[in-house]
Amino acid sequence: SQKIEQNSEALNIQEGKTATLTCNYTNYSPAYLQWYRQDPGRGPVFLLLIRENEKEKRKERLKVTFDTTLKQSLFHITASQPADSATYLCALEESGGYNKLIFGAGTRLAVHP
Amino acid sequence: EPEVTQTPSHQVTQMGQEVILRCVPISNHLYFYWYRQILGQKVEFLVSFYNNEISEKSEIFDDQFSVERPDGSNFTLKIRSTKLEDSAMYFCASSSLEEQYFGPGTRLTVT
Repeated sequence: SQKIEQNSEALNIQEGKTATLTCNYTNYSPAYLQWYRQDPGRGPVFLLLIRENEKEKRKERLKVTFDTTLKQSLFHITASQPADSATYLCALEESGGYNKLIFGAGTRLAVHP
Repeated sequence: EPEVTQTPSHQVTQMGQEVILRCVPISNHLYFYWYRQILGQKVEFLVSFYNNEISEKSEIFDDQFSVERPDGSNFTLKIRSTKLEDSAMYFCASSSLEEQYFGPGTRLTVT
């Protein structure tokens, strides 16, 4: 079955810098990949979706890339702010899975003033 | 902006008791889901529901679990006889397309 790997170590960066988070998957390439934000004790919040035929997607300060050859997605936050501090989850649909999402463990981002 | 709501926010129950977790999905969504997250672990899929029936369920979703959409707005998850290992955050989600919108969760504590 599909496995998703995200960097389990927290990422600490200075305010204003660009944060880059990585998501690697192991098996089939999904039709699309999603990124969510999760704050402690709260539900995941949808941020961006990128399809297999899209190399890059942007939304305000967020950018996602999708490389099906490397089986990898990168998630960038430019001009990061302390309010961006959260755990960021990568999610894929299980093949033929009626939108059944498989989540990575997430990477915790801490943006310091 | 429409959002998914869940009640209660926290439920404490004794082992062996039945619990019902409630969700109100976003009104024009057609797909509904339950996920759970044990403290410090990944968000795990439990079940998806479409057109008044279960579309898919995980191996976690055994005979102790059931879902229902009793009316046009509520979506419930019932655990018939809770176990200690059912303690987790339970998230309801809904979607009309691929992206899913999650509720704030119900923290279930089984003692």
